[in-house]
Amino acid sequence: EIVLTQSPGTLSLSPGERATLSCTASHSVTNSHLAWYQQRPGQAPRLLIFGASSRATGIPDRFSGSGSGTDFTLTISRLEPEDFALYHCQQYCCSPFTFGQGTKLEIK
Amino acid sequence: QVQLQESGPGLVKPSETLSLTCTVSGGSITTSHWSWIRQPPGKGLEWIGYIYYSGSTTYSPSLRSRVTMSVDTSKNQFSLRLVSVTAADTAVYYCARHRVTGGYSYGSFDYWGQGILVTVSS
Repeated sequence: EIVLTQSPGTLSLSPGERATLSCTASHSVTNSHLAWYQQRPGQAPRLLIFGASSRATGIPDRFSGSGSGTDFTLTISRLEPEDFALYHCQQYCCSPFTFGQGTKLEIK
Repeated sequence: QVQLQESGPGLVKPSETLSLTCTVSGGSITTSHWSWIRQPPGKGLEWIGYIYYSGSTTYSPSLRSRVTMSVDTSKNQFSLRLVSVTAADTAVYYCARHRVTGGYSYGSFDYWGQGILVTVSS
């Protein structure tokens, strides 16, 4: 099983700032089958990024993903108020699919 | 626009069976794979398993001994059954669609139900 570790656990920033979230895998995620999700309180997760760097339909271009192998990054270039939420990474190269424990992005 | 809706009891007694159904609208269940995912209160997401419209399944090893998934293509629904539940199974349960591109289904999830909280308690 591939274990995903997200850092930091909590990230405190202000609107307009740049956010960098990390996801590290215990084994290589083949074919860059790595996704990122945003989850607001009381809501289901929303797909942001698939294939490590491809934006899902309707996702603003301030969200970008990068990385390969075991190290992946989600970057939000300029934070908007609605971006403060919980973020999850997920690998789907290898069964069982696994998620990271999440990074909470909070307003400073 | 594809929509998913979970339904089932919100309260299950310990040692009994949790049964949930996901109804898909706005698209055919035959177009993709479909997963169940859960989230204990205040915790992260856990993938439970997936099913294809043919009935083929893949389950997480940690739950495989207790999980059964089934599909009803005539109703555009798929279901989850989890036996011998304990308090550790208390969670919001989500159903989700695997993203499809080029006629191929991948393991990222592009459509989710709103989730249903299932509490295991006597």
